[in-house]
Amino acid sequence: GDSVTQMEGPVTLSEEAFLTINCTYTATGYPSLFWYVQYPGEGLQLLLKATKADDKGSNKGFEATYRKETTSFHLEKGSVQVSDSAVYFCALSSNTGFQKLVFGTGTRLLVSP
Amino acid sequence: DVKVTQSSRYLVKRTGEKVFLECVQDMDHENMFWYRQDPGLGLRLIYFSYDVKMKEKGDIPEGYSVSREKKERFSLILESASTNQTSMYLCASRGGPRYEQYFGPGTRLTVT
Repeated sequence: GDSVTQMEGPVTLSEEAFLTINCTYTATGYPSLFWYVQYPGEGLQLLLKATKADDKGSNKGFEATYRKETTSFHLEKGSVQVSDSAVYFCALSSNTGFQKLVFGTGTRLLVSP
Repeated sequence: DVKVTQSSRYLVKRTGEKVFLECVQDMDHENMFWYRQDPGLGLRLIYFSYDVKMKEKGDIPEGYSVSREKKERFSLILESASTNQTSMYLCASRGGPRYEQYFGPGTRLTVT
């Protein structure tokens, strides 16, 4: 079945450092890809998405590019802030049928001043 | 703004109790979901509902049931709580298959 693999955390960075969180997927067909973020004590929020190969999703300085050839959707940000400390989830859904989300295990990001 | 609310942020129950977790959304969404979140396992789908009175099993339905009598409300029921059901439970809703899922804040359930 479909699955998502993302790097284990925690990822610990200093403020203004460059961030990469790796995500790869296995799926039949051509899924849509998502990054969700969970701030402490809150539910998940959609951060960005891409629905087809070579699409780039972006939001709040974060970016991810849908790479079909490497089945990847890595999350990047050029300069992280303390307020970016959260858990980040990569997810996919098929583009047919009910389109349930399949989540990765989550990566905790800790940014220190 | 879309709002998904869950009845409790924290809940402590004893083994064998029947537990009800309630979720309400205010956007007339057709689809609703229950997930559990555990460290190292991410989010796993327990049950979902594509419309009122309609429900489908997700990936880990054992030990759970659901009820959706009204469009805005989706309840998760633990028939006889066990310690391995200690977890964070997240509810979500969406307008349809091509729409974004909106999540509630979660209920942290501890079964002792």
